[in-house]
Amino acid sequence: GAGVSQSPSNKVTEKGKDVELRCDPISGHTALYWYRQSLGQGLEFLIYFQGNSAPDKSGLPSDRFSAERTGGSVSTLTIQRTQQEDSAVYLCASSYRPAGGGYNEQFFGPGTRLTVL
Amino acid sequence: QKEVEQDPGPLSVPEGAIVSLNCTYSNSAFQYFMWYRQYSRKGPELLMYTYSSGNKEDGRFTAQVDKSSKYISLFIRDSQPSDSATYLCAMRRNTGNQFYFGTGTSLTVIP
Repeated sequence: GAGVSQSPSNKVTEKGKDVELRCDPISGHTALYWYRQSLGQGLEFLIYFQGNSAPDKSGLPSDRFSAERTGGSVSTLTIQRTQQEDSAVYLCASSYRPAGGGYNEQFFGPGTRLTVL
Repeated sequence: QKEVEQDPGPLSVPEGAIVSLNCTYSNSAFQYFMWYRQYSRKGPELLMYTYSSGNKEDGRFTAQVDKSSKYISLFIRDSQPSDSATYLCAMRRNTGNQFYFGTGTSLTVIP
C-alpha cells in the first residue's frame, strides 16, 4: 500500500498482559515515530527512529514500554504488564528526513486503539 | 506548563462561517509550525506548515505565525460540513527530532 499501516486496528487486553503493536511505514522513509493519543491529551511523543542511528527513547513513559525497528522498516511497540492508564490510541508516523535536517512531513497511520480492562 | 496550548473546544459554526483556530507556545526555539486535520478514527493528515513567521495561504485555509507573541492561527474561510474534524497544531525546532502537538480543537460545521 501507499500509506502507513498499523495493526491491529483495535486491541482489547486484560491488565497485566503484554501487547505488541505493529507499524509498516511508507517504503523509503528513513524516520519513524510512535505517539500516544489520549482523550484531551493530544499526541504524546514516545520514540523516534532515524536510519541506523540509536533511537530517541526520551518520550517512553516507563520501562514497560519498548520499541524496535527491524531492517530499517517495520516497527513494533511493546507494552509489558499493561495498566488501565495505557488505554489510548497509539499512532505511528513515518517521514523522509533530509540529510542535514530541515522540515520533514510526517505521514500518519490510522492508529491502534488499545483498551486495557 | 505545556509546551503547546490549544483550546479543545468543541467549536460549532454554521456552514459558510469563517473559523479561527489558535495555539500558543512557550519555546522560542520553535521554527516549524504545522496544522493537522484528524477525522474520527483516522490518523492526522498535514494541512499546512510554515517556517518561522508570516502567513501562508492554501485555498480556503490560511496559517499565520506570530513569533513575537508565540501565537499561531489557522483560518478556514467558507467552512463546509466536510471540514468537521479535530484540528491539531504542532511545532518543531530547527534541529532535533520531536514534534510538539497541541491537544486539538474539535470543529463541527453545521449545514
